[in-house]
This record gives sequence, structure tokens and C-alpha cells, in this order.
Amino acid sequence: QVQLVQSGAELKKPGASVTISCKASGYTFTDSYLHWVRQAPGQELEWVGWIDPTNGGTEYAQNFRGRVTMTRDTSISSAYMELRALKSDDAAVYFCVREDHRFSMDVWGQGTTVIVSS
Amino acid sequence: DIQMTQSPSSLSASVGDRVTITCQASQDIGIYLNWYQQKPGKAPQLLIYSASFLEAGVPSRFSGSGSATDFTFTISSLQPEDIATYYCQQYENLRTFGQGTKVEVK
Repeated sequence: QVQLVQSGAELKKPGASVTISCKASGYTFTDSYLHWVRQAPGQELEWVGWIDPTNGGTEYAQNFRGRVTMTRDTSISSAYMELRALKSDDAAVYFCVREDHRFSMDVWGQGTTVIVSS
Repeated sequence: DIQMTQSPSSLSASVGDRVTITCQASQDIGIYLNWYQQKPGKAPQLLIYSASFLEAGVPSRFSGSGSATDFTFTISSLQPEDIATYYCQQYENLRTFGQGTKVEVK
């Protein structure tokens, strides 16, 4: 079945960087954009950006430009999100999400919790 | 950036009630709008795509309508398992979610 499996929880200090991975299976990796969406505790969903696995093209939300980088490795059907200069309000669950041909986010990873604390 | 404004932020209704949530876009997005359900501790789940199309396997009590800047999401008869937070999301330009509507049972 179609599945996105993310890396485990991370504990980081303010100012550090975090990289989260997302491994896809059950479909052709290059057929669909992958998005990253985050959710701070008790808060709404926030779109971070997307990567086109076909060519590595990316688009980031204004709030994250200059601080986030999304990459992919097609040989292992995996995508990565690096967020730098972490602040306390970056503490959240980060989801990788597949977007299908209908522009719908139809498959979600299990989420990766990032804790930012000194 | 396109802003999405959902209302209400929360509501309480009885089992069997009709529940309506609205979502307003800051500019014309055509029908480029999806609706998701999120239960506590879980990832969101797609319910409605392109404003009014029901995702496969989703109960028919869920529906969506609207275009341009004004959209509506309806649960025709609220069930206990519908307790969740609902989000709209536009895809006309980049992606933006609404603030969410938490639905509770009276």
C-alpha cells in the first residue's frame, strides 16, 4: 500500500538545525509532489513547502524562505527537509504528505515531533 | 499569499444535527479547495477535493460547495465519530490551510 514513513523524534537546541526524512513506498516516487506541513501543539496546520521529486524543484512558504531546504534521493524514494536556526516556536509535529494528480494531500506520513529546548 | 479564513473556530452540536463550516479565501481561487478531517493525535485525512468532490470511502453525509472566495463544508447528520477538527486548504497559489474548526458533541 502507499505509505510515507518518517524519521523519529528530534530534540534540538535553539539555533541548531534539524533534518527529517520521509521514505515513500507503494507508488512511483517521481509521480507526485511531496509537501511538508507542520503543526505546533494545539495549533493549526501550516504549509512549509513542496518538492518535485522528478527534478528536485522546490517552493517554500514565505515564512520559511532562507531557513528551509528540501531535497530528495530518487534512488531510495526518500525526501528530506532541513530547517535551520531553530527557535522555540519551531517545536511542532512535521508531516510529509503526498499530493496526487487532483492536487489533494491524500497520503500523510506519521509525523515527526521536533522539540526545541535548551 | 492567499489567506483562508474559517468560521466558526469551534462548534458544539448534537448527534443528528446538520453542521456547517465556512471558509473564505482572500482572493478568487476558483474551485481549488480541499477539506480535511483531523482527529486528535492523528494525521489529517482528505474528505473533499476540488470544493465538492467526495473522496472515495468517505461517508456521503459529508459534502462541500462553493467557488471563487466562499466555500461551505457540511455534515448532514453529525455522528459521534465525526468529532474532529476540520480544515480547508487552497491550492490555487502555493498552499494555505484555514485555521481549523473544532467540532464537539453536546
